[in-house]
Amino acid sequence: EVQLVESGGGLVQPGKSLRLSCAVSGLTFKDSAMHWVRQAPGKGLEWVSSINLNNVAVDYADFVRGRFTISRDNAKSSLYLQMNSLRPEDTALYYCTKDDGHFAIDIWGQGTMVTVSS
Amino acid sequence: QSALTQPASVSGSPGQSIAISCTGTSSDVGGYNYVSWYQQHPGKAPQLIIYEVSNRPSGVSSRFSGSKSGNTASLTISGLQTEDEADYYCNSYTNKNTRVFGGGTKLTVL
Repeated sequence: EVQLVESGGGLVQPGKSLRLSCAVSGLTFKDSAMHWVRQAPGKGLEWVSSINLNNVAVDYADFVRGRFTISRDNAKSSLYLQMNSLRPEDTALYYCTKDDGHFAIDIWGQGTMVTVSS
Repeated sequence: QSALTQPASVSGSPGQSIAISCTGTSSDVGGYNYVSWYQQHPGKAPQLIIYEVSNRPSGVSSRFSGSKSGNTASLTISGLQTEDEADYYCNSYTNKNTRVFGGGTKLTVL
C-alpha cells in the first residue's frame, strides 16, 4: 500500500521557521517527482512547490519563493519543506503529493496542519 | 501566477449532466495539454479524476470526462449521483514550470 505521511506541523509565531517532513512508502520514491500543496481552512487548493527526481530541478509558487525550500532524501524516501519567515497567510493544511509523470498528482497524503499566529 | 477561474458552484439533479469550466491563459491552460481535475469530499484529501485534459486514471468512473478549447478546460459529469457531491478543482502546468489550481467549484446534487 502506498503511503505518504506528513509530520512537523504545528503552531508557530509569525517570522519563525518550521520544517515539514513526508515519509513515503509502498513505491519507488527515487523514481517520482514530488509536490507540496496547501489548503487554508475553508479555502481552495494552492500548489506550493515541486522537486524532480534527483534534487536538481525545484520550483516554487511566487508567494513562497525565497522563504520556502523543498528538498528530498532518496535514501530515506523522504520529502521536506523548510519554511522560513512564516506569515499568518501561510496557515494551511500542507499536503505531500506525488507526481504521476503526466503533469498531474495521483497520490496525496493526509496533510499536516501549520498555524501561524502570535 | 493567478488562480485559474472556476464557477464557485454548480448544481444538478440525479441522472443529469453538468459541466464545470476552468479558464486560464495561453501561458497555462491554453498552452499545454496538461490540465488535471481533482475531486475532494469534505474532510478528505483530493483525488485525481482526469489528467492530460481528458484521460481517466484506472478506477475512475467513465461518467467523468474532460475537454479543452482554447484557454478553457471543462469537466463533464454525466448521470449525476449523490456521491458526486463534492468540491472540484482544475490544475494546469504553466510556462514557468509551475502549477496552478483553479479556485474550486462546489457541486451540489439536488
